[in-house]
Amino acid sequence: KQEVTQIPAALSVPEGENLVLNCSFTDSAIYNLQWFRQDPGKGLTSLLLIQSSQREQTSGRLNASLDKSSGRSTLYIAASQPGDSATYLCAVGGETSGSRLTFGEGTQLTVNP
Amino acid sequence: DARVTQTPRHKVTEMGQEVTMRCQPILGHNTVFWYRQTMMQGLELLAYFRNRAPLDDSGMPKDRFSAEMPDATLATLKIQPSEPRDSAVYFCASGSGGGRFRSPLHFGNGTRLTVT
Repeated sequence: KQEVTQIPAALSVPEGENLVLNCSFTDSAIYNLQWFRQDPGKGLTSLLLIQSSQREQTSGRLNASLDKSSGRSTLYIAASQPGDSATYLCAVGGETSGSRLTFGEGTQLTVNP
Repeated sequence: DARVTQTPRHKVTEMGQEVTMRCQPILGHNTVFWYRQTMMQGLELLAYFRNRAPLDDSGMPKDRFSAEMPDATLATLKIQPSEPRDSAVYFCASGSGGGRFRSPLHFGNGTRLTVT
């Protein structure tokens, strides 16, 4: 059974800092990995989607990398802003799980002005 | 800007009552998911449909939960009878693609259910 772990559970940084969020998964047989953002009282917003054949994806100040063999992904946020404060979740789609995604517990990020 | 719409946003009900949650997926999306989120369990997949056909509902307590897609623009999740342990935020998500998603998943803002 796929298990997804996110470290740290919470992170507080001053504005302007670059930061890295980590995601690890136990079964490397995945077909893609998504990073989502969740604001309080809202649904999840997809930030980046990496297919299993890719190593990284970039969108603006966000960069996500994937190392399938080691079961790891990182989300890099450059020049963090208070508006980046949210919970960040990673989710993996397994080779044998069809469209089912397995989610991590999330990292709660606070960027202080 | 296309989005997944869920109603109601909030629902408070008494134990034993029936609860129906509705979801309007993004037009053109052929796959619809129901997730439940709690502090203790995080996000759990309850059920999902492709082209309106149920593909997996193994995450759902079958004795009280039911999920349907009467048409391509409406998905419903029903709990009967509801219990306090069902209190959670229920999310609907939709996407397009085949058995392995190549495009992002889009979530609604959820229905926050409280069963007293």
